[in-house]
Amino acid sequence: AQSVTQLDSQVPVFEEAPVELRCNYSSSVSVYLFWYVQYPNQGLQLLLKYLSGSTLVKGINGFEAEFNKSQTSFHLRKPSVHISDTAEYFCAVTYNTNAGKSTFGDGTTLTVKP
Amino acid sequence: DTAVSQTPKYLVTQMGNDKSIKCEQNLGHDTMYWYKQDSKKFLKIMFSYNNKELIINETVPNRFSPKSPDKAHLNLHINSLELGDSAVYFCASSQGAQKANVLTFGAGSRLTVL
Repeated sequence: AQSVTQLDSQVPVFEEAPVELRCNYSSSVSVYLFWYVQYPNQGLQLLLKYLSGSTLVKGINGFEAEFNKSQTSFHLRKPSVHISDTAEYFCAVTYNTNAGKSTFGDGTTLTVKP
Repeated sequence: DTAVSQTPKYLVTQMGNDKSIKCEQNLGHDTMYWYKQDSKKFLKIMFSYNNKELIINETVPNRFSPKSPDKAHLNLHINSLELGDSAVYFCASSQGAQKANVLTFGAGSRLTVL
């Protein structure tokens, strides 16, 4: 079965520290990869996406992610986090065989402490 | 102007009642979705419509009935509400039903069944 695994359910970090949120997907077929962020009591917003081309993609708010096909991973990174980055982060994958259907990971709660 | 708007934002009702959630998007997108986010923040797709045609219908009880009067609107009607229906329901839209499309989400409708 096709699935998305976010390896950490909760990630607490101090302000200005670097952070990595891990995402792995199961499939060897073509995929499209996304990271979305959900701030408290809001809907999800796109952070960044990988469709093709360069494996390092940059998104909003200083986030970036690297697509690693051999490891089937799409980890999200930020070199220095702010309090305002505290939110829920979702990795999502659309598989080439599932037109229009995005599968979401279970989410990672990022808590940035002062 | 809100791109994807859902009403109501909050809905509290008794078991056995019937309720509806409405969704409208002004982005000109032709594909709309309903997602359910449970108390653990797990996000699952329920339905998707492309140009008013149902294209994704996950394993959802038939008490849930989506309706798309036009491509800018996708409503969700729920009959005989159960405790387990309590969740946040998100409407989303995208341009096209292709695999690489980015989803734009509404702010969510929190349904509480007592």
